[in-house]
Amino acid sequence: KAGVTQTPRYLIKTRGQQVTLSCSPISGHRSVSWYQQTPGQGLQFLFEYFSETQRNKGNFPGRFSGRQFSNSRSEMNVSTLELGDSALYLCASSPIAATALYEQYFGPGTRLTVT
Amino acid sequence: QKEVEQDPGPLSVPEGAIVSLNCTYSNSAFQYFMWYRQYSRKGPELLMYTYSSGNKEDGRFTAQVDKSSKYISLFIRDSQPSDSATYLCAMSENGGGADGLTFGKGTHLIIQP
Repeated sequence: KAGVTQTPRYLIKTRGQQVTLSCSPISGHRSVSWYQQTPGQGLQFLFEYFSETQRNKGNFPGRFSGRQFSNSRSEMNVSTLELGDSALYLCASSPIAATALYEQYFGPGTRLTVT
Repeated sequence: QKEVEQDPGPLSVPEGAIVSLNCTYSNSAFQYFMWYRQYSRKGPELLMYTYSSGNKEDGRFTAQVDKSSKYISLFIRDSQPSDSATYLCAMSENGGGADGLTFGKGTHLIIQP
């Protein structure tokens, strides 16, 4: 079974631009979560989608948004990029949203650098 | 005070040693506890999970949760150079996908051959 895939793997953007990152979950998984990982703050929860609905959101500004499509693929968007948005953005998928949280499989991440 | 505290290391031990990795937390509502391993330039990989207090063993790995002390541990027996990675603890209240996981910052482990 193919794992979680994320595209692109690396991205360089300029302050003020916007960016869209993509995540394809494991086949059959309906829950997709996004995390930001930085050396200073570690891994922080951004939001989670299940059946195209955002069910929960972490403590991030409104510049961070996401969506999920009917095939469970998800995108996250960051508008008006700031230098502090430079991070590894990780997507994780789960087979059943309401239970088995521990069955959360991470993708390799997208490394975003904002200059 | 951060919700989850984890010593960043690096922790360097000789091959074959027993490794002890720990996290403390402040939120008494956490019920689900997980350990992830992350190699450089890779996403985290789930190693162990535990619900509530108690021990769980899987091969060379043992996870312990002491909710009364708000303290969790991961033990690695017969450590191997391939165990060299960053180990992240993670927790959640409800165990559902919507909850989001709260992570420690990770401990960088080095196993010396």
